[in-house]
Formats: sequence, C-alpha cells, structure tokens
Amino acid sequence: KAGVTQTPRYLIKTRGQQVTLSCSPISGHRSVSWYQQTPGQGLQFLFEYFSETQRNKGNFPGRFSGRQFSNSRSEMNVSTLELGDSALYLCASSPPISSYNEQFFGPGTRLTVL
Amino acid sequence: AQTVTQSQPEMSVQEAETVTLSCTYDTSESDYYLFWYKQPPSRQMILVIRQEAYKQQNATENRFSVNFQKAAKSFSLKISDSQLGDAAMYFCAYRSASRDALNFGKGTSLLVTP
Repeated sequence: KAGVTQTPRYLIKTRGQQVTLSCSPISGHRSVSWYQQTPGQGLQFLFEYFSETQRNKGNFPGRFSGRQFSNSRSEMNVSTLELGDSALYLCASSPPISSYNEQFFGPGTRLTVL
Repeated sequence: AQTVTQSQPEMSVQEAETVTLSCTYDTSESDYYLFWYKQPPSRQMILVIRQEAYKQQNATENRFSVNFQKAAKSFSLKISDSQLGDAAMYFCAYRSASRDALNFGKGTSLLVTP
C-alpha cells in the first residue's frame, strides 16, 4: 500500500497570501489529522476529519481551516499568512478498525512565509 | 488538557549500548494510548512502539521496549544495541481513547556515536 502523500512538499509564500495544502491518506483510511510543527511550539494538533466531517479542532485561529472529500483526501487552507505560520505541516491518517487508532504520517509540507 | 513532558532535550549513546528516553504525562483519564514516534532528518514520522493504558505488560518491538508506570504516569523508551540509524528526534505522544488527536512532547534528540 502506498503511504500518506502530501503535496506540495515545499512552498514559499509572502505575508497576506493564502495557501492550500493537500493530503492523500492511505487507501482505506477515513480519518485524517493535521499537525503543525515548529521549533518553538513543537507539534501541535490542528484538526481531524472523518468521513468529511471535522471531529476535533485544536487551538488555532480561524485563518486555519480544512475539509475532507468523499475519497478521504483532505486539504487545509491558511488565509492571510503570517510569518509565524512558517512550519512543517504534517498530515496523518488512521485505519478504520484499530484499537490503537495509530496514526501514519506523511512526509510533510514545508511552508515558508516571507 | 493532557500534557506530555520529555525532560531530556538531547541524549547521546554509543553504538551497541543501551539508552533510555524519559516521558511523563498528565491526565485524569483512565483509558488512553501512548506512543513513541521517531523523526529522522528526513522529517518522516515513524511509529516506534505503542502501549494501551489498560495493559500492564510493557510493549516490546525488537530492540525497543517501554517501561510503562501508570500510577507514576511515566512512559520511558529503552533502545538496546543502539545503531547509527537510530539517531533521530524521538517524540512521546498521548492519545485519549475518545479522540484521535495526539498530544506530543517536545522531543528528545538522540545522537548515536560510533
């Protein structure tokens, strides 16, 4: 099975712009979670989607949003980019039946805001 | 909110030796899961080992084992026969049984010397 894929892998934007990141989960996985990783704050949970519905949301401003499509692919959008949004954005998917609901991570999208 | 603390920002071990990474967590829940993830320089998060809170037996995966002390809320990772490929950032993570979001510690950077 192919792993979690994320596109693009690298992105450079300027302040005030908006950006959309994409995540394709492992085939058969219906749950997708997003995390932001920065040197200062570490790994922080953004939101989680299951069957096109947002199930959980982290403590991020409304500029961060996401959605999930019927094929379980997910996108996250950041509007009005700020310098502090520069980070590695990780997507993870979970299998439908698992006592651990362990998460399998993609390679991440490195976003740089200038 | 559940917090995860990794008190060792950096650790060093010689090849073939054993090293233990510490992790403590704070929760009022009784049903949860604990994980150790490895993040090498490629930034790909890889699941190393997992533990269910209701299982008293410590998890083991080849050279990796945990010491899970539920009352003390401690979840340390032992790496035996360390290899150069073990050099990476190691993250301890907590997941409530009721939601998929992972709470991560700040990480421990492991250096393996020949």
